[in-house]
This record gives sequence, structure tokens and C-alpha cells, in this order.
Amino acid sequence: QKEVEQDPGPLSVPEGAIVSLNCTYSNSAFQYFMWYRQYSRKGPELLMYTYSSGNKEDGRFTAQVDKSSKYISLFIRDSQPSDSATYLCAMWANSKLTFGKGITLSVRP
Amino acid sequence: ETGVTQTPRHLVMGMTNKKSLKCEQHLGHNAMYWYKQSAKKPLELMFVYNFKEQTENNSVPSRFSPECPNSSHLFLHLHTLQPEDSALYLCASSQDRSGSYEQYFGPGTRLTVT
Repeated sequence: QKEVEQDPGPLSVPEGAIVSLNCTYSNSAFQYFMWYRQYSRKGPELLMYTYSSGNKEDGRFTAQVDKSSKYISLFIRDSQPSDSATYLCAMWANSKLTFGKGITLSVRP
Repeated sequence: ETGVTQTPRHLVMGMTNKKSLKCEQHLGHNAMYWYKQSAKKPLELMFVYNFKEQTENNSVPSRFSPECPNSSHLFLHLHTLQPEDSALYLCASSQDRSGSYEQYFGPGTRLTVT
């Protein structure tokens, strides 16, 4: 079993939809949970990070961590065409980041 | 200049060439990283430097040689590469190794080995 699993998609939604992106993991030692956004021909951009279980909200984005289920999610409300990008989950333990493969999201106008 | 910059943005090289990738961070960070990003694979950590000292080498072939002259600059020297080394090479930085959960990436160098 891979340490971090992320559905590779791709995912296509209409503008205004609520998007749910998910990752599962197997390493109980992970302490920080990150979401990165990567536009085409750009480097990953840190969107949000959370520590331990719970929710964290930033504008239209909500990150959710459930450590008991080893499951993290990123919700995007009122999705916009500008949200079209690849989203990478990442998890941190022992000074090391482990990434998922990323999912490509397309928001149709 | 702000954030993390990388040059060149695109590089095509033959298998017998020698070239170097450059990364510079303007964030006052002390840890810098090289990653390889290939299609449909997770980011692969290659090298880590903390306060100019190499702290991690993830079994990277010797045809890749990193150099960190100071906390703001990082180089990746390339020689006798293989076609399978074609990928996006990303540089990142963080406050230090203990704060590596918050990494900031450059735009990457798209490398093609012919």
C-alpha cells in the first residue's frame, strides 16, 4: 500500500459546483497535511496546511482532516474556471513531505 | 524578485552534455530542496540542504550533483543524463528542516534529454 493515495482523475465540473478532492494515507506518523495547487507550466503553490484532525477554512477553500480514518479532503465552494489546475495533497512527518500523484481539475464556464 | 526563482525554465540537452540548473530563494529561508516531477508520479525528493549542509540524498544517481554555496542559492549539475531523466525539476525552500511542512516551490525547469 502506498503511503499516500490520491485519485488521479481527471475531474471536470461546471462553474459554481462544489468540488471535493480526497486523499488517503497509511502512515499514522503524519502530523501536517497540505494541499498544493499547480497550474500548467508552474510550480506547486501551497494553498493550505492543517495540523491534526479538524477543519480549516480560507475563503472558498476548506481543508478537512480525519486522522482516525486516515483521510483528508479539500472542498472548493463556488468553483471558478480559474480553479482549473492540478491539486496535490502532501503529508509531513519526520521532516519529510510525501506527496500524492495529484488530480487535475477542470472547471467548465 | 520574490519567492523562489529557477533558471533556465526550459532545457534541452544531449546525453553527453553538461549543464546546470539554478535556484534562488528570496524568502530568507535556510533549507532548500530539489524535487523531480514526472508525469503521473508523485513528486520525488532528490536532495535536501539545511544551512548549506546536505542532509539528504535519496539514492539519486551520481549524474546529478547538487551544490549549495549559501542559503539562498542551490544548483543541480547535470552530466551524461539518460532520456528517462526528462522531467520537471523543482526547487523548494522552507524556513529550515524542522519547518519543512511549509515549503515554497519555484516554477521548475522543464528538462528534455535527447
